[in-house]
Amino acid sequence: GENVEQHPSTLSVQEGDSAVIKCTYSDSASNYFPWYKQELGKGPQLIIDIRSNVGEKKDQRIAVTLNKTAKHFSLHITETQPEDSAVYFCAATLSGSARQLTFGSGTQLTVLP
Amino acid sequence: NAGVTQTPKFRVLKTGQSMTLLCAQDMNHEYMYWYRQDPGMGLRLIHYSVGEGTTAKGEVPDGYNVSRLKKQNFLLGLESAAPSQTSVYFCASSLTSGYTDTQYFGPGTRLTVL
Repeated sequence: GENVEQHPSTLSVQEGDSAVIKCTYSDSASNYFPWYKQELGKGPQLIIDIRSNVGEKKDQRIAVTLNKTAKHFSLHITETQPEDSAVYFCAATLSGSARQLTFGSGTQLTVLP
Repeated sequence: NAGVTQTPKFRVLKTGQSMTLLCAQDMNHEYMYWYRQDPGMGLRLIHYSVGEGTTAKGEVPDGYNVSRLKKQNFLLGLESAAPSQTSVYFCASSLTSGYTDTQYFGPGTRLTVL
């Protein structure tokens, strides 16, 4: 089955700096890679996703890059703000089937004022 | 439009007791999922359903049962709770497994088994 590794487990940045979280996946058939943000006491919320037919996707301060050859994808947050502090999860799955999302273990991001 | 709701929010059980967690969605989604979240382990899929009347096992199904009698509801049952089932349980739903894969999560149920 799919295995997703996520690094780092914790990340602290100064407000205004950039943050990068990296994930690797094992199943070359996976073609859908979402990123979720989980605030304390809440359920995960999708913030951005990417499919294997594109290498990069951007949404305002958030971007995701995908390297299919190396089987890794990364979340980039620029101009970080205190409200970006949360746990971020990457995931991978094969789109178009009933296969489940396989999640990484999460990254606790803290943005220091 | 409430999205995905979960009942109850918190529950404490004694070993051997049973309970049912209820998940409801009002987005007319076909697919529904139950995950458990443990510290440092991300989310792991327990069971899922691809439509009314269907269920399937996920990564960690042992000790749990599910039912999907109505499209909008997905129930997770613990027949004989064990301390190892202490966790936060999340329900999610998605429109289809086709191009739109986004899974929408509920707020979670924190379960403690003593």
